[in-house]
Amino acid sequence: EAGVVQSPRYKIIEKKQPVAFWCNPISGHNTLYWYLQNLGQGPELLIRYENEEAVDDSQLPKDRFSAERLKGVDSTLKIQPAELGDSAVYLCASSGGGTYNEQFFGPGTRLTVL
Amino acid sequence: DQQVKQNSPSLSVQEGRISILNCDYTNSMFDYFLWYKKYPAEGPTFLISISSIKDKNEDGRFTVFLNKSAKHLSLHIVPSQPGDSAVYFCAARFQGAQKLVFGQGTRLTINP
Repeated sequence: EAGVVQSPRYKIIEKKQPVAFWCNPISGHNTLYWYLQNLGQGPELLIRYENEEAVDDSQLPKDRFSAERLKGVDSTLKIQPAELGDSAVYLCASSGGGTYNEQFFGPGTRLTVL
Repeated sequence: DQQVKQNSPSLSVQEGRISILNCDYTNSMFDYFLWYKKYPAEGPTFLISISSIKDKNEDGRFTVFLNKSAKHLSLHIVPSQPGDSAVYFCAARFQGAQKLVFGQGTRLTINP
């Protein structure tokens, strides 16, 4: 079974430029998460989708960040414009239900903003 | 406010010995706890979990202990192997919610 796929794996941009990250969850997983991981820290939830609905986006900085999950499968996270402080790893995860609903993570996209 | 804390940024253990990673939490509404393992340039991988109604869960070389009164959990790895060298994250889930709160991680190094 294929895991969570993310692209690109690495991205270097200049500040004020836009950037987008793509995630394909595990087949059949209805719940999709975007996390931000700063250096030396654990992942922090940005947004959670149940199918195509964003059910928890309280931690998403909506002035510059946006996300979508059309058709309830793939998802895109966008930053516009990027700032120096956005340099981090952006992780996507998915879960398929069950009693404990474990989350499975993709490899992440490492963003560097210059 | 860090609700899940891993106070040891790093830990070095000799191969074959026991590795003990610790995690403290502050919110009594957490009902499920997980440990994730992360290698460089990879995403975190689920390792083992424990429900708040239990005090121990074992899976091969990995055992997680939960002390609810102390709001403390620990991961024991016995015997430690070089492939166990990674960053370990403790995570907690709120009762009835899907959101996970992660600790800062502990970098475990197993020395031959």
